[in-house]
Amino acid sequence: DTAVSQTPKYLVTQMGNDKSIKCEQNLGHDTMYWYKQDSKKFLKIMFSYNNKELIINETVPNRFSPKSPDKAHLNLHINSLELGDSAVYFCASSQDSAGATQYFGPGTRLLVL
Amino acid sequence: QKEVEQDPGPLSVPEGAIVSLNCTYSNSAFQYFMWYRQYSRKGPELLMYTYSSGNKEDGRFTAQVDKSSKYISLFIRDSQPSDSATYLCAMKPTSGSRLTFGEGTQLTVNP
Repeated sequence: DTAVSQTPKYLVTQMGNDKSIKCEQNLGHDTMYWYKQDSKKFLKIMFSYNNKELIINETVPNRFSPKSPDKAHLNLHINSLELGDSAVYFCASSQDSAGATQYFGPGTRLLVL
Repeated sequence: QKEVEQDPGPLSVPEGAIVSLNCTYSNSAFQYFMWYRQYSRKGPELLMYTYSSGNKEDGRFTAQVDKSSKYISLFIRDSQPSDSATYLCAMKPTSGSRLTFGEGTQLTVNP
């Protein structure tokens, strides 16, 4: 009965590959997010969807493409992976787009070799 | 200059100590202030949030916001080894859901 879940937990891949990370929330929330946490633990928002509509699109390389098939799911596809993409990627959700209380998933550790 | 500044520590205290964690910010539009706790290799967990200025207490945790000084604090009373984690402050304006995080303070409570 995990509230926000992500798969996979770990992802090790070669430079140039394409990979996807999946996120699901069972909280009935309308808004979902992708964050990137670098090696210094700094959390930075990448994207946000509210009811399947993109509402936040930070300055992120267009190799990163989010997709929300329904409001309970938000996936992140990354093309042509680079060394600098190595980080922990967190999915989060909030009840609505006001987003004062956001609940995070366990994270996906991506290592690009 | 970062919008939110937080001393990364590390901070090490003995069990039972009162811990004070702080963040300063520069954006006067911030109205919501949150504290998250992140255990090693886990996702951030929302501890407390406050709206505008004032204090909020929840068990051993007290959050304070001083908007005039653009300064927020989290106090942990009777600290326990299980409180050992990284504590992240986050804040946002009234509208929109874009959270701006501090870089986190790593806390160790020694038994």
